[in-house]
Amino acid sequence: GQNIDQPTEMTATEGAIVQINCTYQTSGFNGLFWYQQHAGEAPTFLSYNVLDGLEEKGRFSSFLSRSKGYSYLLLKELQMKDSASYLCAVQGNTGKLIFGQGTTLQVKP
Amino acid sequence: GAVVSQHPSWVICKSGTSVKIECRSLDFQATTMFWYRQFPKQSLMLMATSNEGSKATYEQGVEKDKFLINHASLTLSTLTVTSAHPEDSSFYICSASSRVVNTEAFFGQGTRLTVV
Repeated sequence: GQNIDQPTEMTATEGAIVQINCTYQTSGFNGLFWYQQHAGEAPTFLSYNVLDGLEEKGRFSSFLSRSKGYSYLLLKELQMKDSASYLCAVQGNTGKLIFGQGTTLQVKP
Repeated sequence: GAVVSQHPSWVICKSGTSVKIECRSLDFQATTMFWYRQFPKQSLMLMATSNEGSKATYEQGVEKDKFLINHASLTLSTLTVTSAHPEDSSFYICSASSRVVNTEAFFGQGTRLTVV
């Protein structure tokens, strides 16, 4: 079976750092994606990891440990506009993405 | 990045009618397109995988006779919701790729379907 878990909700303060975790158990693995989605809009690509380690891209970083079935998305210097849902998705052998339930992040002043 | 265009962005239809949603890859040839459905405050659920020139592969629990998918060209896939009912009201999103394994999946803008 396939299972992707991430926290449902998180709250953080403007200017702070927040880490959103994602654990997965899938039958095939060809990379892990993180997406940002604002209400009523399509997901926006943030990052892709296929090898173990940390990928940094501006204020956002993503980490992957394949042996542990674990990833996290790190958001630094939080801004109010970062309030959104963050989706973790695993790509299987056929290319299709299986999404976690998403983490709704609320950034407070 | 590559552009995927989805049309319409929103549609309201009467119960019992059919609605067609288009997904186009504008600057690349999409050999595979994926159709997702998202209910309020839930994540994206894969409905089907569409490969150009062949029949779509549907996920378990998705009625293939109700959600008709056509991928007749390398730049266009369509999803038709037949005999729509209020419970079909949802956000439908397509994504397109030019190869089996991708480093970035490109999504359309999504279609908000409301069945009244």
